[in-house]
Amino acid sequence: DAKTTQPTSMDCAEGRAANLPCNHSTISGNEYVYWYRQIHSQGPQYIIHGLKNNETNEMASLIITEDRKSSTLILPHATLRDTAVYYCIVRVTGTASKLTFGTGTRLQVTL
Amino acid sequence: DAGVTQSPTHLIKTRGQQVTLRCSPKSGHDTVSWYQQALGQGPQFIFQYYEEEERQRGNFPDRFSGHQFPNYSSELNVNALLLGDSALYLCASSFWQNNEKLFFGSGTQLSVL
Repeated sequence: DAKTTQPTSMDCAEGRAANLPCNHSTISGNEYVYWYRQIHSQGPQYIIHGLKNNETNEMASLIITEDRKSSTLILPHATLRDTAVYYCIVRVTGTASKLTFGTGTRLQVTL
Repeated sequence: DAGVTQSPTHLIKTRGQQVTLRCSPKSGHDTVSWYQQALGQGPQFIFQYYEEEERQRGNFPDRFSGHQFPNYSSELNVNALLLGDSALYLCASSFWQNNEKLFFGSGTQLSVL
């Protein structure tokens, strides 16, 4: 699986959009971009994933650049409950469910 | 519909002892994976079970072993515990045929003294 690079930490004011970047310059053509988050004292939670098109669900939007070397997770209206560590992962789907986590981005949402 | 459940939530052992952690997957899921998360680090893949067989394994020694039962629940066993085995152990479940999303339990916090 390709390696990802994320900022160590970010801050966001409540109600504002949180934009979390991820670099994955060595991504292969059959690798998807996944985002999980981990709220303190809980297991990771799936957020969204995509191949090359932008994706949106009830939790977030995922913007992938045309060359697929980077992506941005967007939480449109961050709340205090969105404070968590966010992990960007690239993996091939249809294979074993192994996820390779990095150290992620610690997002702190403040009043 | 219960999600992934793990037991116990916390455990304290001493060096050299053996430990067994348990996981019940989300209803309908047939595949279970185990992860180890050290303090301040992301989870690290240990192994995955499907149809009661180990299907994939991460870079962990043979002291780490597992089992999956016919009802899809799973156990993680660690022998000859080391101080460095202190971590949060996470169980994740999914469908073998469609593993786009993994569902994680809240984990078992193991402390080795």
